[in-house]
Amino acid sequence: GAVVSQHPSWVICKSGTSVKIECRSLDFQATTMFWYRQFPKQSLMLMATSNEGSKATYEQGVEKDKFLINHASLTLSTLTVTSAHPEDSSFYICSARDPSFRRAQPQHFGDGTRLSIL
Amino acid sequence: AQSVAQPEDQVNVAEGNPLTVKCTYSVSGNPYLFWYVQYPNRGLQFLLKYITGDNLVKGSYGFEAEFNKSQTSFHLKKPSALVSDSALYFCAVFYSGGGADGLTFGKGTHLIIQP
Repeated sequence: GAVVSQHPSWVICKSGTSVKIECRSLDFQATTMFWYRQFPKQSLMLMATSNEGSKATYEQGVEKDKFLINHASLTLSTLTVTSAHPEDSSFYICSARDPSFRRAQPQHFGDGTRLSIL
Repeated sequence: AQSVAQPEDQVNVAEGNPLTVKCTYSVSGNPYLFWYVQYPNRGLQFLLKYITGDNLVKGSYGFEAEFNKSQTSFHLKKPSALVSDSALYFCAVFYSGGGADGLTFGKGTHLIIQP
């Protein structure tokens, strides 16, 4: 079964709305989580790395005030897209770092969130 | 710095034929290499990994990959392609250092299996 749960899987909302996406590690503690953005048929673009109890590290070109990341516990990180606009429409994927390499993997991925802003 | 290259944006293969999806890497030290598959509107699914040991690694769904240190390659292969193998494939290298670690991905290769 899944080791990382990401919700919601699909969001459609009006321009100007703020949208929160949750990423939970289900059976391990994730001190580090990653947030990616993916445009259609393209690769994953790392947006930010979040560490439990500290500020997220954003990649160059990613607006901190637009994409708020909170990693308040060892099993939950959230990405809030503030005042979303149509250009924010995309597929967002979270991933949790697993130091124990469960299932032979250093990171486990959520199923992604399709965000559509009208 | 580590990097991964997938030179082909798209690979087309007839069903039943062997397939190869290419990947080359650049990393200091010993590489930890991975292949993932992504179906539409889904997250990434782990296929296989190479950390150490045999150069030929077997993974899920009949896929395998060959680690070639001299050519710094880790090509994904399958002897007989299925239409259901059509998806987006990512090669990745795990990095560790400088207080951070994680996966670096290639740009992805669309694999299209034609009936």
